[in-house]
Amino acid sequence: NAGVTQTPKFRVLKTGQSMTLLCAQDMNHEYMYWYRQDPGMGLRLIHYSVGEGTTAKGEVPDGYNVSRLKKQNFLLGLESAAPSQTSVYFCASKDGGAGKTGELFFGEGSRLTVL
Amino acid sequence: AQSVTQLGSHVSVSEGALVLLRCNYSSSVPPYLFWYVQYPNQGLQLLLKYTSAATLVKGINGFEAEFKKSETSFHLTKPSAHMSDAAEYFCAVRVNTGFQKLVFGTGTRLLVSP
Repeated sequence: NAGVTQTPKFRVLKTGQSMTLLCAQDMNHEYMYWYRQDPGMGLRLIHYSVGEGTTAKGEVPDGYNVSRLKKQNFLLGLESAAPSQTSVYFCASKDGGAGKTGELFFGEGSRLTVL
Repeated sequence: AQSVTQLGSHVSVSEGALVLLRCNYSSSVPPYLFWYVQYPNQGLQLLLKYTSAATLVKGINGFEAEFKKSETSFHLTKPSAHMSDAAEYFCAVRVNTGFQKLVFGTGTRLLVSP
């Protein structure tokens, strides 16, 4: 029972490099989210998706892009990494069915350092 | 806008002592509230949730929280702390703005000393 799986778990980038974080969920959830976690700031929503082929901006979308070509996968891309994007990134998913309470299921996180 | 505020970025207790982590919410509609726990180098795990069924909610690992509308609070408690409770705790509120999302507080780190 894998749940939500994120790859890679650790990555070090140089300023200006690009990379993609992959999130995969095996619970057939409609909704998927990317958050970033920074000390003293809690979790902030970057982008989200309410279904295959759809994406939308969250609170802090600048510098990131996302794609959801398959229902089970949600990709987060950094086209030109900046030191301000040094953070821990969490993917989460949720069942979008009627009557659901809104509980999110989280991956274990991806720690990104931009030098 | 719906939001949550967690008072105290760090809380220290001795093993066996009462744990009290504070969360106040702001919402114009009956809220759905959550407490999540994050152990070091791990993702967030749901502790408990309030969905208007009962004001006292029991969760995993002996934690519970009470929803108090008059105080707009949803504080997390545990009668007796264990060393394994040391972690970061996040309060969150569900926001229904076109789609469902959770807005998180800034977190409270619980330190447990022997």
